[in-house]
Amino acid sequence: EIVMTQSPATLSVSPGDRATLSCRASQNVSSKLAWFQQKPGQAPRLLIYGASTRATGIPVRFSGSGSATEFALTISSLQSEDFAVYYCQQYNNWWTFGQGTKVEI
Amino acid sequence: EVQLVQSGAEVKKPGESLKISCKASGFSFSSYWLGWVRQMPGKGLEWMGIIYPGDSDTRYTPSFQGQVTISADKSIFTAYLHWNSLQASDTAMYYCAIPKVAPDAFDIWGRGTMVTVSS
Repeated sequence: EIVMTQSPATLSVSPGDRATLSCRASQNVSSKLAWFQQKPGQAPRLLIYGASTRATGIPVRFSGSGSATEFALTISSLQSEDFAVYYCQQYNNWWTFGQGTKVEI
Repeated sequence: EVQLVQSGAEVKKPGESLKISCKASGFSFSSYWLGWVRQMPGKGLEWMGIIYPGDSDTRYTPSFQGQVTISADKSIFTAYLHWNSLQASDTAMYYCAIPKVAPDAFDIWGRGTMVTVSS
């Protein structure tokens, strides 16, 4: 099983800040990496797939980078609606999620 | 519009059986893998398994193998998640999802079905 490890567990930021979330895979997953956003009471929403491709309708302030075992999600200027939990997921060998990073004020 | 509509919340007792559903519309149901994801209260996302409705090819994450059954009826565009004997530890939100935007990238999600198991 490929284990995905996200850091930090919680990120305390202010609106307008730049936020960088990290995700590490226990094995090489190539670029088969997705990022999801989940708000309370809602289903996860796909933000990024293929490590760096924004999904349909995702604002340009969200960007993904990395390959192999090290990945990052950057939110260039946090908006109030971005406060949520973010999960990375590898899909190179089955599918596994990271434990999540909570972005809070 | 591409949609996955999941069945309503359930409250069950330990030992009871349950089947929840995920009805698809707006796309070719038989042509996309459909996945199920568990989220226990206050916890993260866990991948349970997938099914290809076209031929009912079904695969499970090892920890869920034998605990649940994933099935689909392509004639009514519906996938199912079934338990023979529920346990309190099955209390969770369950989501279905499909990879519409790119292979294996699950971008279309149902709203989830909350299952509560309590005596």
